[in-house]
Amino acid sequence: NAGVTQTPKFRVLKTGQSMTLLCAQDMNHEYMYWYRQDPGMGLRLIHYSVGEGTTAKGEVPDGYNVSRLKKQNFLLGLESAAPSQTSVYFCASSYQRGGPETQYFGPGTRLLVL
Amino acid sequence: KQEVTQIPAALSVPEGENLVLNCSFTDSAIYNLQWFRQDPGKGLTSLLLIQSSQREQTSGRLNASLDKSSGRSTLYIAASQPGDSATYLCAVNGGGGSEKLVFGKGTKLTVNP
Repeated sequence: NAGVTQTPKFRVLKTGQSMTLLCAQDMNHEYMYWYRQDPGMGLRLIHYSVGEGTTAKGEVPDGYNVSRLKKQNFLLGLESAAPSQTSVYFCASSYQRGGPETQYFGPGTRLLVL
Repeated sequence: KQEVTQIPAALSVPEGENLVLNCSFTDSAIYNLQWFRQDPGKGLTSLLLIQSSQREQTSGRLNASLDKSSGRSTLYIAASQPGDSATYLCAVNGGGGSEKLVFGKGTKLTVNP
């Protein structure tokens, strides 16, 4: 049981490049989330999903897109990276009917946009 | 809009001391409140979850309390150890079926041997 895994662990992009961050969970959770963590700002929700095929905007969605084609995977895309998107990105999952309500977090992806 | 504040931002204590971390939130209509621990360069680990109907939860040397009406929670750590050094984050869940969390900025705890 690996929990929540994120790929890649670290990436450097040039302004304007695109990339996709992958999150996978093996706990059969219904809900998945993408957060970004910045110094002095705390964790902020980017997008989330309450089930396969569904997505919704969080607090800071601009510049990002997401997809949840399979229940166990949640992808975060940056179509045209900007230096303001330099951050640490965390994926989390939660909710299995009858299970604990806490969110389980991945180890994070460090992204540097030059 | 829900806002979560944690005081202090940083705390340094000698080993063995009992300590309290504070969390306040502006909207008392919460579903639950969670305390997380984050080690440098790592993800978050859930420590305690308190439902809105509960007053406190305990796990080992940790005790979290919740006063929903006043918008406050405290995390009490007994007999602190150097291994407790980490950033502690408070997060509130407003319910609504998605379990979205609003986080405070955290308290960075250093326990000195």
